[in-house]
Amino acid sequence: GQNIDQPTEMTATEGAIVQINCTYQTSGFNGLFWYQQHAGEAPTFLSYNVLDGLEEKGRFSSFLSRSKGYSYLLLKELQMKDSASYLCAVRDSDYKLSFGAGTTVTVRA
Amino acid sequence: IAGITQAPTSQILAAGRRMTLRCTQDMRHNAMYWYRQDLGLGLRLIHYSNTAGTTGKGEVPDGYSVSRANTDDFPLTLASAVPSQTSVYFCASSEGTSGANEQFFGPGTRLTVL
Repeated sequence: GQNIDQPTEMTATEGAIVQINCTYQTSGFNGLFWYQQHAGEAPTFLSYNVLDGLEEKGRFSSFLSRSKGYSYLLLKELQMKDSASYLCAVRDSDYKLSFGAGTTVTVRA
Repeated sequence: IAGITQAPTSQILAAGRRMTLRCTQDMRHNAMYWYRQDLGLGLRLIHYSNTAGTTGKGEVPDGYSVSRANTDDFPLTLASAVPSQTSVYFCASSEGTSGANEQFFGPGTRLTVL
């Protein structure tokens, strides 16, 4: 089976930075994805990492260390609309995605 | 372009009834997936199809069946619904299964089994 851990909740102030950590133990590794999910809506794709290092996309960055089974999603210059759940997902050797339970981020004014 | 659609949006169902959740995509994606999302458990894969004509079991397949007769449609059937199948069901699709092929999700079906 797969084991993907991320914090349940995080709170931050508008304009600040928040880092969401994800650790994983999976049978094989073929990439790590981050998704954003607003309440009552479908998940939407944010980022993809398959090699070690940092991938930057505007205000969002994602980091991967395969040897440590670790990733983080960095959200900079937080805005109220960033209040959502952030899902870490790992693709295994069978090319199927396993999701963590998600981290709910609340942005306060 | 609709992307990926699901029907119904929500449904209340008596236990023991048969129910089919519909999923259609117009992106000509090869792979399609069904997930259920429950509070505190995240998204769990029920069944998947890497290409039309093939299906496979995910993490939680019991009580569910799927078919993939063509590229666009991937219905999920509950043969005899039970209360533990109360959940939000998401259908997803991706162009392929490897590389940077992200999954695109439908709007979801909220199912309540009484």
